[in-house]
Amino acid sequence: NAGVTQTPKFRVLKTGQSMTLLCAQDMNHEYMYWYRQDPGMGLRLIHYSVGEGTTAKGEVPDGYNVSRLKKQNFLLGLESAAPSQTSVYFCASSLSGPGRGRDYTFGSGTRLTVV
Amino acid sequence: GNSVTQMEGPVTLSEEAFLTINCTYTATGYPSLFWYVQYPGEGLQLLLKATKADDKGSNKGFEATYRKETTSFHLEKGSVQVSDSAVYFCAPSGGSQGNLIFGKGTKLSVKP
Repeated sequence: NAGVTQTPKFRVLKTGQSMTLLCAQDMNHEYMYWYRQDPGMGLRLIHYSVGEGTTAKGEVPDGYNVSRLKKQNFLLGLESAAPSQTSVYFCASSLSGPGRGRDYTFGSGTRLTVV
Repeated sequence: GNSVTQMEGPVTLSEEAFLTINCTYTATGYPSLFWYVQYPGEGLQLLLKATKADDKGSNKGFEATYRKETTSFHLEKGSVQVSDSAVYFCAPSGGSQGNLIFGKGTKLSVKP
């Protein structure tokens, strides 16, 4: 059981380039999330999805787009990368919302550097 | 939405010392409360959780009690080990999007 798999694990982009981060889960979870982790900032929610075909904005959505065409996959896109998007990106999934004790399962992260 | 304040680190302890990492939250209603741990180079893993007042979550010698009267969920361990060196995140539910809200994390280093 792989859990949550993120690809790639590392990437270096030049300013203005685009890329897509892939998150795949095999636990039949409804909810999926993208976070970024920056020193001293904790984890900040970028976008999330409560089911196949749905997406919604989180706390810091600017400069990112997402898609959830299949239940098991949640894609995060950067259309025109900026140095401010240098960060570690984490995907997470949960069976339902966390309000009733449903915890998140996290991927191992993607370290992105924009030069 | 809810918010969380977590004890700032870094925290450095000797092996077998007692650990407390403070966490307080603001909430409407009754959030579920979680502690996650992040080992170097890895993603976050659930450490423990509690879903109602006075519940105690426990795992791997760590404990935290859901204190609604003080809106706190402090993490404790009686005797830390070098292998406990990691970053610990407190996370109540109830963000403005119904999500978990993560504290900024507390880095723990345990010296032999």
